[in-house]
Formats: sequence, structure tokens, C-alpha cells
Amino acid sequence: DVKVTQSSRYLVKRTGEKVFLECVQDMDHENMFWYRQDPGLGLRLIYFSYDVKMKEKGDIPEGYSVSREKKERFSLILESASTNQTSMYLCASSPDRGYYGYTFGSGTRLTVV
Amino acid sequence: GNSVTQMEGPVTLSEEAFLTINCTYTATGYPSLFWYVQYPGEGLQLLLKATKADDKGSNKGFEATYRKETTSFHLEKGSVQVSDSAVYFCALSTNRDDKIIFGKGTRLHILP
Repeated sequence: DVKVTQSSRYLVKRTGEKVFLECVQDMDHENMFWYRQDPGLGLRLIYFSYDVKMKEKGDIPEGYSVSREKKERFSLILESASTNQTSMYLCASSPDRGYYGYTFGSGTRLTVV
Repeated sequence: GNSVTQMEGPVTLSEEAFLTINCTYTATGYPSLFWYVQYPGEGLQLLLKATKADDKGSNKGFEATYRKETTSFHLEKGSVQVSDSAVYFCALSTNRDDKIIFGKGTRLHILP
């Protein structure tokens, strides 16, 4: 069964910490995406990548960066975590630009205290 | 630009009731249309999709028909179960677009 795996389901971090959220897919997909999900705001795209070492800003990139050193792994980095980054983070991948849909991971619920 | 509008929730129904969640879209080109479902504490799962006008996507008793004339893709189920309680997202992607555009989601509660 094809999968997108996010390394942590729940994470608690302190304000100012550097936080890494990891996402790995086993489907040889070119494209990977990071979203955050907040009540009333739906899904908001943070960053995406169409190829190894490529990255593009989404709608809300401020306070985040990403890394894609290998095709299967796409990491989201919070350089200095803040309480307003408390959220559910969802990783997704797709073989194309979205025409056939995305496969999502189970999500990481991050709490910054 | 491209956009998706779906009915706001929460929607509360009794078990075995008929379900409709409305979704309309605005898009250039010829979009693919999707419904995703998110169960509590989980990520999104693709529920069904349709890639051209008049196509009907179906899965797990849910159906949605791609209506180009009304730019709609309403989700329906004839008899809902408690286990259908979840958040449902309508979404689209076009040939030219880079990414899927999601609606804001509709929370569904089914009462036993």
C-alpha cells in the first residue's frame, strides 16, 4: 500500500526552538507539499517542491523553510517556533501537478508552548 | 482565479438520513474535481474524483457528478452512518494549474 509517512503524530515544542517535521513517501512521486490546517481557515499551502532540491513558496511561507535533498523526503523547518505556529501540519505527494489528486500523510499536531 | 466554494458546516444528520454537501467551483480550463474526507485525528483521504464533465465519481456509497453547466460537484449519500462523521473537502485541479485548490471543508456529524 502506498504511503506518505509523517514522523510524529504529536509534538510539543518550546517557543524559540528549531523544529523539524519530516515527511517520507514511498511512491516515487515528483511533487511534495506542506500544508497547515487551522479551524475556520481550511488548508493553507506553506511550501511545495516539484523536484529534488527545488522548492516553491506557497501562500503562507513566512516563518518556515523546507529541505528536499532526496526525492522521497520533504522536511518542513520552523526556524524559531512561535505559539502562532501551533497547528496541524499535513504533508502530501503526487505524481503530477495535482490532476490526479494528492496522497496525504496522517498529519502532525504541533503545539508550541 | 480558480476557487472552490462549499457549504459551511457543521451539518448534523440522523443515521440513515440522506446527505448532500454542496460544492461549486470557478476554474479556467477543464478541471478535475475531487472530494476528500478527513476522519478525526487523521490526514485527508481521497474519497472520489471526476476528471471530465458528466462523469460520476463514487466510493463507499458516496457519489458526486461533475456538472459543467452549473459548475457544481455536490456530494451525496443515500443513507449515512455514524462512521461517516468527518470533515469533507471539495477540491479542484486544472491542466494548467500547479496545485490542487481546496474548499474550506464541511464538518459532518451523524447522530445514532
